[in-house]
Amino acid sequence: GAGVSQSPRYKVAKRGQDVALRCDPISGHVSLFWYQQALGQGPEFLTYFQNEAQLDKSGLPSDRFFAERPEGSVSTLKIQRTQQEDSAVYLCASSLSVTYEQYFGPGTRLTVT
Amino acid sequence: DAKTTQPPSMDCAEGRAANLPCNHSTISGNEYVYWYRQIHSQGPQYIIHGLKNNETNEMASLIITEDRKSSTLILPHATLRDTAVYYCIVRLFLPGGGGTSYGKLTFGQGTILTVHP
Repeated sequence: GAGVSQSPRYKVAKRGQDVALRCDPISGHVSLFWYQQALGQGPEFLTYFQNEAQLDKSGLPSDRFFAERPEGSVSTLKIQRTQQEDSAVYLCASSLSVTYEQYFGPGTRLTVT
Repeated sequence: DAKTTQPPSMDCAEGRAANLPCNHSTISGNEYVYWYRQIHSQGPQYIIHGLKNNETNEMASLIITEDRKSSTLILPHATLRDTAVYYCIVRLFLPGGGGTSYGKLTFGQGTILTVHP
């Protein structure tokens, strides 16, 4: 069956540009998570949705980061005025509900030049 | 969430069992032990989880000590495709779910497992 998909897989942005990263979760999965993974590190939590409600955004590093999931399925992570330190792999995960195992997408590798 | 400690790297011969240890001495009664792995350039993959009993599935076995302060993930017959970073995660669990951050996974550095021919 279809897993979690993310697009684009690779994104190169010039410093100061805005980017939008898309996540298509597994159909029927209520919970959706975003993580950021710097080179050589484990993923770090950014934000969590239950359906369309963003219930935890404590991991977002600055107000330049914004996530939405308006219809409770597809989610978009937006980064405004990108900086070099935003270069990382951005991972999306979905689960049936908050306490179930999470299924991860392949990630979007963002490089800010 | 409780912290975990894992060795940074381990080697294993193909066909042999790989035993990956994890210490979680500050684990609390409502926290599960989860294992994920991440193969190069892919997203993390769920392996197994447990509370206090040993667990087994088609991928691996999880042995949790009686005091729950440590655990071991066992890959019974390692193959070259099992080469990956393995993460041991302690995750808060509340019956009925909850509306805040109970579901998030806190990854550490993990163990780089290299399976060689």
